[in-house]
Amino acid sequence: DAGVTQSPTHLIKTRGQQVTLRCSPKSGHDTVSWYQQALGQGPQFIFQYYEEEERQRGNFPDRFSGHQFPNYSSELNVNALLLGDSALYLCASSPPGQGLAKNIQYFGAGTRLSVL
Amino acid sequence: TQLLEQSPQFLSIQEGENLTVYCNSSSVFSSLQWYRQEPGEGPVLLVTVVTGGEVKKLKRLTFQFGDARKDSSLHITAAQPGDTGLYLCAGAGVPDSWGKLQFGAGTQVVVTP
Repeated sequence: DAGVTQSPTHLIKTRGQQVTLRCSPKSGHDTVSWYQQALGQGPQFIFQYYEEEERQRGNFPDRFSGHQFPNYSSELNVNALLLGDSALYLCASSPPGQGLAKNIQYFGAGTRLSVL
Repeated sequence: TQLLEQSPQFLSIQEGENLTVYCNSSSVFSSLQWYRQEPGEGPVLLVTVVTGGEVKKLKRLTFQFGDARKDSSLHITAAQPGDTGLYLCAGAGVPDSWGKLQFGAGTQVVVTP
């Protein structure tokens, strides 16, 4: 049973460029959440996708956008990259169900983004 | 801004010793999760606690949720080198924050043989 998979594992971009990160949820999961983890800090919630719609959003600018596909996989897009966007980007999936089920999140290994 | 405060930030102990990590907040949480993260990896879910006063045990790890659902602790008995890692607590607020987890900054635990 494959867990949450993310690609690519590492990425180097320059300021102003755009990037797309990809995530496949754990088998049987229908909800995907994205987090940004800066060095030495805990993950920060970016947004959550369920039924192909953004359901919740954290305190991130509109440069951060996403998409969920019918097979529940998801993409995170970041436009006009800034140096401060350098971080580990984590994808987490959660099983079907309302409420508490959405809090039970399983994480992928992340994509390490470096902006030069 | 981290609404969940974890302490201590760093803990270094010898194999066989016990340790406790704390997670505190002024906010009430609908549930609280504990994760362990190793370098270059994503956080691995250890436990979810839901009910105030709840205690859960996972082998040598004991997790407790405060009665008011604002704080939690993780106790490790007879720590082993394999327990080394970054321990993160994460909570979802009430009433409508299901799935929007807020994380603490983590406690780095190092267990030396």
